[in-house]
Amino acid sequence: EAQLVESGGGLVQPGGSLRLSCAASGFTVSGNYLTWVRQAPGKGLEWVSVIYSSGSTYYADSVKGRFIISRDNSKNTLYLQMNSLRAEDTAVYYCARASPPAYGMDVWGQGTTVTVSS
Amino acid sequence: DIQMTQSPSSLSASVGDRVTITCRASQTISTYLNWYQQKPGKAPNLLIYAASSLQSGVPSRFSGSGSGTDFTLTISSLQPEDFATYYCQQSFSTLRTFGQGTKVEIK
Repeated sequence: EAQLVESGGGLVQPGGSLRLSCAASGFTVSGNYLTWVRQAPGKGLEWVSVIYSSGSTYYADSVKGRFIISRDNSKNTLYLQMNSLRAEDTAVYYCARASPPAYGMDVWGQGTTVTVSS
Repeated sequence: DIQMTQSPSSLSASVGDRVTITCRASQTISTYLNWYQQKPGKAPNLLIYAASSLQSGVPSRFSGSGSGTDFTLTISSLQPEDFATYYCQQSFSTLRTFGQGTKVEIK
């Protein structure tokens, strides 16, 4: 069974950094389209970033230049390095898979909470 | 970026009602449109992909239609477990975007 488990969330001060992890099982991160989606408290879903099986990466304008998506194939894990964090980055962060990429995200993690506050 | 607009933002309905939610894209997206259900404190769950294909395990009372810029999610007979928030999402462009959500509440 395909599964994703996020970790790494927490409380961080504005301007700080945090790295989220998303461990995959039942499939390989290297062969799949993987995304990060976030949800601010009481708000809707916001697409954040994607890494294709080819290794190509893309970002929402709101995080471009501050966040970096990557993967470690040996650990079968997806990452999101978040730098220069702002209060508006406070959210639950989900990792998700879309297989194939043009279809919807069929496997989601449980989410990890990031709070940016002084 | 492609903007996705859902309507209504919320609705009240009774068990057994037929419910329709619409989603409009700011530009044509063919049938690259997906629908999700989200319950409080839970991750979203894929219901419909490619505008009208039912995801495995999803009850047949859920259906999707549309192409181009206008899409619809229909619940043929609302069940107690269907009270949730529903999101559309386009997978046409590299930068995926979601609609703002439609909350389905109990009347």
